[in-house]
Amino acid sequence: EAGVTQFPSHSVIEKGQTVTLRCDPISGHDNLYWYRRVMGKEIKFLLHFVKESKQDESGMPNNRFLAERTGGTYSTLKVQPAELEDSGVYFCASSQLGAGTDTQYFGPGTRLTVL
Amino acid sequence: DAKTTQPNSMESNEEEPVHLPCNHSTISGTDYIHWYRQLPSQGPEYVIHGLTSNVNNRMASLAIAEDRKSSTLILHRATLRDAAVYYCILILWSNTGKLIFGQGTTLQVKP
Repeated sequence: EAGVTQFPSHSVIEKGQTVTLRCDPISGHDNLYWYRRVMGKEIKFLLHFVKESKQDESGMPNNRFLAERTGGTYSTLKVQPAELEDSGVYFCASSQLGAGTDTQYFGPGTRLTVL
Repeated sequence: DAKTTQPNSMESNEEEPVHLPCNHSTISGTDYIHWYRQLPSQGPEYVIHGLTSNVNNRMASLAIAEDRKSSTLILHRATLRDAAVYYCILILWSNTGKLIFGQGTTLQVKP
């Protein structure tokens, strides 16, 4: 069974440009999470989808970030316009239950560099 | 979610057991103790979780103190591939699954 996949693996953009990250969860997983690690900091939660609905978006840093999950399958995270402080590694994870006992399966991450 | 405290780093020799401690003195009765690890250049991966009783799986064992204020992740025979950052995370049973990562413990395994 395929794991969580993320595309692209790396992205280098100029400040002010737009970037869209994609995450394909494990098939059948209704829960999809986005996290990110910026340089020198801890991994931080961004948001959580249950199917196509946003369950919790308390970690989204500002309105330059837009996450979507149309049809409840793959998800995209768009950063527009990108700023230098957005550089970091963005991880996506998926799970079946979305509960405290559940296991999250992470993708390899997308490394975003904003110049 | 309650806070956890872990040592910043630990060292181990290959083929020897490793005990990674985690303190969580403010744990509530319905907090599950989860361990994840992050290998270099990879996303975090689940290791093990438990509530009150000790747990074993193919990757590791989890020993939970009787008062639940601390726990220990045990790798029975460390390999070079086990070099990673290990995170101890508490999750309320009713939580939607959001993981709150601390700094974790960086485990170095020496050949």
